Amino acid sequence: QQQVKQSPQSLIVQKGGISIINCAYENTAFDYFPWYQQFPGKGPALLIAIRPDVSEKKEGRFTISFNKSAKQFSLHIMDSQPGDSATYFCAARTSGSRLTFGEGTQLTVNP
Amino acid sequence: DAGVTQSPTHLIKTRGQQVTLRCSPKSGHDTVSWYQQALGQGPQFIFQYYEEEERQRGNFPDRFSGHQFPNYSSELNVNALLLGDSALYLCASSPGSAQETQYFGPGTRLLVL
Repeated sequence: QQQVKQSPQSLIVQKGGISIINCAYENTAFDYFPWYQQFPGKGPALLIAIRPDVSEKKEGRFTISFNKSAKQFSLHIMDSQPGDSATYFCAARTSGSRLTFGEGTQLTVNP
Repeated sequence: DAGVTQSPTHLIKTRGQQVTLRCSPKSGHDTVSWYQQALGQGPQFIFQYYEEEERQRGNFPDRFSGHQFPNYSSELNVNALLLGDSALYLCASSPGSAQETQYFGPGTRLLVL
């Protein structure tokens, strides 16, 4: 019940395209859903986050779509750039700020 | 304003040894969480410290222990190292409020031979 399922495992997109990463969860006690970006050899960096009372949040080229009834949420990266090539993790948080992470998606944006 | 810092950056140990990893939280943050990230996987929650006490714990054996100091810095100790303990160990800090998210350090890469 604590799991967060993430797909796809890897994703290849052309420069300028849209990258879409999906996550699903079971635990309705999750109250906060952040996305992290991680480059090789670095720690995860917070990208964007959403709360379950909001269906969509946009920050620059990054958008989170949230479907509370389906217990699913997704990250959309518009106008993908080679510099966006990294591993992306969705996560979910219960009270007390413990994070449960998805398995990660390795994104490659070809020039 | 320095972010979360961790030391050392890399560490090599042999099976059965003990290791101590250190973390200094972001300025103004009083809660420290530790995560283990195996190669190719997402981080797994180990435990969280607040007010010098362990507040939450994940599914890790007692070989994993920690400590938080009055200045909010923290240590992660792992005893009787196993090959499977090889991973990137991440420290994350956040303000005491449960509504705030966590900011991660660069991690310590531990290799157990």
